[in-house]
Amino acid sequence: NAGVTQTPKFQVLKTGQSMTLQCAQDMNHNSMYWYRQDPGMGLRLIYYSASEGTTDKGEVPNGYNVSRLNKREFSLRLESAAPSQTSVYFCASSEALRAGYGYTFGSGTRLTVV
Amino acid sequence: AQSVTQPDIHITVSEGASLELRCNYSYGATPYLFWYVQSPGQGLQLLLKYFSGDTLVQGIKGFEAEFKRSQSSFNLRKPSVHWSDAAEYFCAVGPYNTDKLIFGTGTRLQVFP
Repeated sequence: NAGVTQTPKFQVLKTGQSMTLQCAQDMNHNSMYWYRQDPGMGLRLIYYSASEGTTDKGEVPNGYNVSRLNKREFSLRLESAAPSQTSVYFCASSEALRAGYGYTFGSGTRLTVV
Repeated sequence: AQSVTQPDIHITVSEGASLELRCNYSYGATPYLFWYVQSPGQGLQLLLKYFSGDTLVQGIKGFEAEFKRSQSSFNLRKPSVHWSDAAEYFCAVGPYNTDKLIFGTGTRLQVFP
């Protein structure tokens, strides 16, 4: 089925470990996004990529890096995980937000840092 | 700064009752407006969106929303709630000059039989 695929679905890390969250979309969308969701805080933008080859910081980029590998894939890397990064991470894509298209979301990655 | 406010953190209604979830935004011009729903353990699904034109928009699952420019609001409504509507609902704003959505903090809806 067409959509946004995130891997893994669950992950437990120890403080200081690194990992990469993967995201791929098969809808030929130009824009891709990484959000984190924390109780009572809604969704906060970490990084986004308006098109292949470009990335920009969002509201909460500290402690994260991203790579727009190609038009389909947009990965999020935690170089040295901290307990404050315990969260649910969502990847999303959009054909063109400025044209009024909304986002299509993946099912999320639940990350726990101990 | 652009912002989205959902003043109700948690709402409880009885099945069959009407529902209104509030959303207010702060932005200099009329942005794109969205409502998303998130079932437990799931991603977010688009319910409806407003770009321009008719201020009453229809969405999926029997939901509708009304844009009121004078109040900077985009409230979500449903005439008769079903138990399956229990979920978290997010309002989001997309300013015209960016490619990013700004989300509210969400309203959790609980439905009693």
